Amino acid sequence: DADVTQTPRNRITKTGKRIMLECSQTKGHDRMYWYRQDPGLGLRLIYYSFDVKDINKGEISDGYSVSRQAQAKFSLSLESAIPNQTALYFCATRGGEETGELFFGEGSRLTVL
Amino acid sequence: GQNIDQPTEMTATEGAIVQINCTYQTSGFNGLFWYQQHAGEAPTFLSYNVLDGLEEKGRFSSFLSRSKGYSYLLLKELQMKDSASYLCAVRDGDYKLSFGAGTTVTVRA
Repeated sequence: DADVTQTPRNRITKTGKRIMLECSQTKGHDRMYWYRQDPGLGLRLIYYSFDVKDINKGEISDGYSVSRQAQAKFSLSLESAIPNQTALYFCATRGGEETGELFFGEGSRLTVL
Repeated sequence: GQNIDQPTEMTATEGAIVQINCTYQTSGFNGLFWYQQHAGEAPTFLSYNVLDGLEEKGRFSSFLSRSKGYSYLLLKELQMKDSASYLCAVRDGDYKLSFGAGTTVTVRA
């Protein structure tokens, strides 16, 4: 089983619908991140959380919200989806190791029609 | 914020060497990472540099010059499975990671 699990893996929805992407991890890491990936733009940070009580906006947080329900769970919500939110979304965790590399989930592909 | 530039695409022959350059401008620096991402999959960690110089890990090496805002990833003895996108990422003083758009490497037989 993957250490960082995202659900759903694929979702097609319509403009105006509320969507939640869920992320859970078994790595015991405090720090969790949500990125979106678009062709030609790379990965862009939406929100990040250093622990359950600490949530911060990234560079493209408009139109998104998050919830850190527990150390192991970090959810991303689109309150009213729009077509330009069509993208591949990645959840990631980071431990306290010296390098602090990110461990990514398998991604959630969202299409907004 | 960060401004990270890397070439969009590179092509090389199996068994050859390819060097992927990355230049960055940052308001704070706390390390540079390289990630590999196969099509449709999650990025996976390749290397980390925080001090100037070369870090070698098997067929992959990564170099950093902080004064020049420059790094490269060197892939030796290319194999078909090395066909992937390679992402350069810079960590700022707040420990936030920003990514370049990625370089797609195609290895031909």
